Amino acid sequence: DADVTQTPRNRITKTGKRIMLECSQTKGHDRMYWYRQDPGLGLRLIYYSFDVKDINKGEISDGYSVSRQAQAKFSLSLESAIPNQTALYFCATGGTGDNEQFFGPGTRLTVL
Amino acid sequence: AQSVTQLDSQVPVFEEAPVELRCNYSSSVSVYLFWYVQYPNQGLQLLLKYLSGSTLVKGINGFEAEFNKSQTSFHLRKPSVHISDTAEYFCAVSDLFSGGYNKLIFGAGTRLAVHP
Repeated sequence: DADVTQTPRNRITKTGKRIMLECSQTKGHDRMYWYRQDPGLGLRLIYYSFDVKDINKGEISDGYSVSRQAQAKFSLSLESAIPNQTALYFCATGGTGDNEQFFGPGTRLTVL
Repeated sequence: AQSVTQLDSQVPVFEEAPVELRCNYSSSVSVYLFWYVQYPNQGLQLLLKYLSGSTLVKGINGFEAEFNKSQTSFHLRKPSVHISDTAEYFCAVSDLFSGGYNKLIFGAGTRLAVHP
């Protein structure tokens, strides 16, 4: 079984709709992250959480919100989706120590 | 602020040839350095990491990288590539003093295309 899972894997939606992307992990890590990947831009950090009560904005948080429901679950919401939020979204987890992060398989989101 | 520059967006190479993917970073403090690989339609997988010690780091699938502090580089190399190495490769940096918080800064990626 995968250590970091994301649902859905693919989603097509319309402008203005509210969308939630979910992430679950079985690695027992406290730290969780949401990134978006765009061609030629690499991965950019949207939000990160170092425990259930700690949520922090990343470099591109506008238009997004998150919820850390439990140590193992971290959800990303687009309150009102717009076409330039079309991207590949990754969830990642990390333990303490050497800063390595472990990535989920990604969610491909298309906003029409 | 930290940043990562991957000097080549695409690298075409023939099978069994050597390859080098270049990465430069900027940081005013000591850093951890990483290379991740993304195969088509998959998430990112760690290839190797530099934390401290020997500047030559060996990773999975025959890849290695050399940390050069004076040139602020962390280039990835493989002496003989296979078709299966076709993927996108990301260099990332994390500084040691960001309050203990492990935030990674990624480069834009290098697409390695191995041709028969």
